Amino acid sequence: KAGVTQTPRYLIKTRGQQVTLSCSPISGHRSVSWYQQTPGQGLQFLFEYFSETQRNKGNFPGRFSGRQFSNSRSEMNVSTLELGDSALYLCASRPGQGDTDTQYFGPGTRLTVL
Amino acid sequence: GNSVTQMEGPVTLSEEAFLTINCTYTATGYPSLFWYVQYPGEGLQLLLKATKADDKGSNKGFEATYRKETTSFHLEKGSVQVSDSAVYFCALVPPSSNTGKLIFGQGTTLQVKP
Repeated sequence: KAGVTQTPRYLIKTRGQQVTLSCSPISGHRSVSWYQQTPGQGLQFLFEYFSETQRNKGNFPGRFSGRQFSNSRSEMNVSTLELGDSALYLCASRPGQGDTDTQYFGPGTRLTVL
Repeated sequence: GNSVTQMEGPVTLSEEAFLTINCTYTATGYPSLFWYVQYPGEGLQLLLKATKADDKGSNKGFEATYRKETTSFHLEKGSVQVSDSAVYFCALVPPSSNTGKLIFGQGTTLQVKP
């Protein structure tokens, strides 16, 4: 099976712009989660989608949003970009909703905000 | 609340040395525990996991045992290789949370010298 794919891999934006990142989960996986990784804050949970519904949301401002499509692909959007949004954004998928389900991560999208 | 604490890095070892990376957690009940590894420029890869007390996860020579008495999940390897150089993350999923939200430690950088 193909792994989790994320596009684009690298992105450079300027402050105030908006950006959309895409994630395609492993075939058959219905849950997609997003994480932000920065040197200062480490890995932080953004949100999780399951069957097109947001199941959980981390402590991020409303500028961060996401959605999931019927084929389980997911997008996250960041509006009005700030310098502090520069980070590696990781997407992870898992088959269902079990606590013990392993999450499989994609390679990430490196966002730089100038 | 739920949290994970890892030993400070970086950890520098010579090839074939014994590795221990300490991880302790705080959680209500019995969370599922994971070790992920991140190689430079890549996303996270699952290394091993344990879902109940006294379980031992193992993979590629790495091992970790779920110790509820000490709320620990220390990572060990008997003989490290240069190719093990990476950042290692300990993480948990709260029990019965019905969510994929992984809570990560801050990561421990391992450098193995020939």
